[in-house]
Amino acid sequence: QVQLVESGGGLVKPGGSLRLSCAASGFTFSDDYMSWIRQAPGKGLEWISYISSSGNTIFYADSVKGRFTISRDNAKNSLYLQMNSLRAEDTALYYCVRRSSSWTLYWGQGTLVTVSS
Amino acid sequence: FMLTQPHSVSESPGKTVTISCTRSSGNIASNYVQWYQQRPGSSPTTMIYEDNQRASGVPDRFSGSIDTSSNSASLTISGLKTEDEADYYCQSYDSLWVFGGGTKLTVL
Repeated sequence: QVQLVESGGGLVKPGGSLRLSCAASGFTFSDDYMSWIRQAPGKGLEWISYISSSGNTIFYADSVKGRFTISRDNAKNSLYLQMNSLRAEDTALYYCVRRSSSWTLYWGQGTLVTVSS
Repeated sequence: FMLTQPHSVSESPGKTVTISCTRSSGNIASNYVQWYQQRPGSSPTTMIYEDNQRASGVPDRFSGSIDTSSNSASLTISGLKTEDEADYYCQSYDSLWVFGGGTKLTVL
């Protein structure tokens, strides 16, 4: 079955950087769009970024544009999110999400990022 | 554009509830609408995709629809069960993906 396992979260100081990874299995990774979606504590879902199956098409939410970079390695079935210039408002649970050929999203368990001094 | 949902709804077991999702600009029919359920402490799961298609394993008590006259989408849950108590999010897109703010469903 579909498995998405995020890693790389943790505590970081404001202005710092962090790189999240997502290991995918149970489907043909290179066929599907992938995305990062986050959820601040007690808040709703916020889409951050998506990347096309080939990696040629990438979009970001305004809240992270210029600070975050999404990438993928289809040979390693892995998705990444490089997060720079982190702010307190970036504190959230970050989900790795697969978008199947239909508009069905599959979600990982999330990795927690805490930005605090 | 934005998607606006009611903050909360409540209904009794066995009844029917409808959660709305209104698109602020652009035609609701131009891009598919999806619905996700999130129970406390769990990741979201897809309930409805492409406006009205039930995801695998979702009971037929759940249905989705769109209404172009009100530029909104709706999630309807019939025969409410206590296990349906959760947060529900609508989602659509243009070049960017957009989520509604979420609706807390209480089944009491």
